[in-house]
Amino acid sequence: DSGVTQTPKHLITATGQRVTLRCSPRSGDLSVYWYQQSLDQGLQFLIQYYNGEERAKGNILERFSAQQFPDLHSELNLSSLELGDSALYFCASGERTGYNSPLHFGNGTRLTVT
Amino acid sequence: AQKITQTQPGMFVQEKEAVTLDCTYDTSDPSYGLFWYKQPSSGEMIFLIYQGSYDQQNATEGRYSLNFQKARKSANLVISASQLGDSAMYFCAMRELTNFGNEKLTFGTGTRLTIIP
Repeated sequence: DSGVTQTPKHLITATGQRVTLRCSPRSGDLSVYWYQQSLDQGLQFLIQYYNGEERAKGNILERFSAQQFPDLHSELNLSSLELGDSALYFCASGERTGYNSPLHFGNGTRLTVT
Repeated sequence: AQKITQTQPGMFVQEKEAVTLDCTYDTSDPSYGLFWYKQPSSGEMIFLIYQGSYDQQNATEGRYSLNFQKARKSANLVISASQLGDSAMYFCAMRELTNFGNEKLTFGTGTRLTIIP
């Protein structure tokens, strides 16, 4: 158990809809990262938060947004969903920014857009 | 250009044999960390081992060791005495700290390891 909690585990929704994925980081971790894993794109970094502030952006679409709340949990909002958004979405947390500590991943949310 | 390259899409290894999974990386940053993650068919991402760019010795964690060759920019994962439970996808990743707070973990495309009984 990594200590990172993601809900829900599975989500099935229709095109055009909006969903919210939730992540609770490990106790004491201030950094939260979101990744998308699809079959054809591999693991893609979306966005990073540190102690409530956005720190880095990756390949995140404008239809997607995220935030980290004062209690450090984070939410990833996906709107105007398309079939291509079907993927496994991971949240990861780390104890500090920097290169020398691992990120610990949650079990992911599997999103299926029909 | 790819930051992390894993050239073995798939590998088949006999149980109890050692296996080496290749990983090369590209960075001009002197400070970076290299990581290996395991993703079983159930989907979770499991952290295995870490190597820092300034570490003099190769990292080891139980049956896992990381063969770090800095000049060659390679960070191969070695699994000793493989077990059936080692069958999974393995990802090499690099974390760089280029600007303060502007860093991320970049993954390779992965190697699917299958252990044969």
